[in-house]
Amino acid sequence: AQSVTQLDSQVPVFEEAPVELRCNYSSSVSVYLFWYVQYPNQGLQLLLKYLSGSTLVESINGFEAEFNKSQTSFHLRKPSVHISDTAEYFCAVSVDTGFQKLVFGTGTRLLVSP
Amino acid sequence: DGGITQSPKYLFRKEGQNVTLSCEQNLNHDAMYWYRQDPGQGLRLIYYSQIVNDFQKGDIAEGYSVSREKKESFPLTVTSAQKNPTAFYLCASSIWPSGKETQYFGPGTRLLVL
Repeated sequence: AQSVTQLDSQVPVFEEAPVELRCNYSSSVSVYLFWYVQYPNQGLQLLLKYLSGSTLVESINGFEAEFNKSQTSFHLRKPSVHISDTAEYFCAVSVDTGFQKLVFGTGTRLLVSP
Repeated sequence: DGGITQSPKYLFRKEGQNVTLSCEQNLNHDAMYWYRQDPGQGLRLIYYSQIVNDFQKGDIAEGYSVSREKKESFPLTVTSAQKNPTAFYLCASSIWPSGKETQYFGPGTRLLVL
């Protein structure tokens, strides 16, 4: 079975500073990896995903994540955060076993202050 | 605009009462899912449906029931057997239940016990 670990429950950062949100996974088979973002009292939105090919994937709002198979990681980074990036971020993993069971981490709350 | 709607936004349940959460999608997606979100625990899968008139239990199905009579609709009933129903409930859909597919989420329903 797959699992996801997000070690940081909360990450405080100042506006315009860089940030990294950590995600590690475990799986005995090839995986697909996702980052979702959740703003307060809303549903989740896909930020970016890794399916295959280039290990560096980018989102339209400046976030990027790198798939590292040897370290079983998929950390999310942004070089300069904005106040509007304040949200909860979930890492998730799935595999192709006839049904997509998306397994989520416990989430990391990013708090951006001025 | 295509999307997923959930209603109501807030729902109050009395002791011993069954309540039903609505989920409708106009994305023409085959697969639909129900998740429960508790603080610090991420999202846990309750039920999923890969096609009309078919659904399967997820990781925490006890105390819940679903139906899938139409492609667009996947209502969730929280029964009196669910002893701790207070949570944020999220409905999602995807084109096909494959590991590669993005899941699209509704805005959620917050269930509170009176």
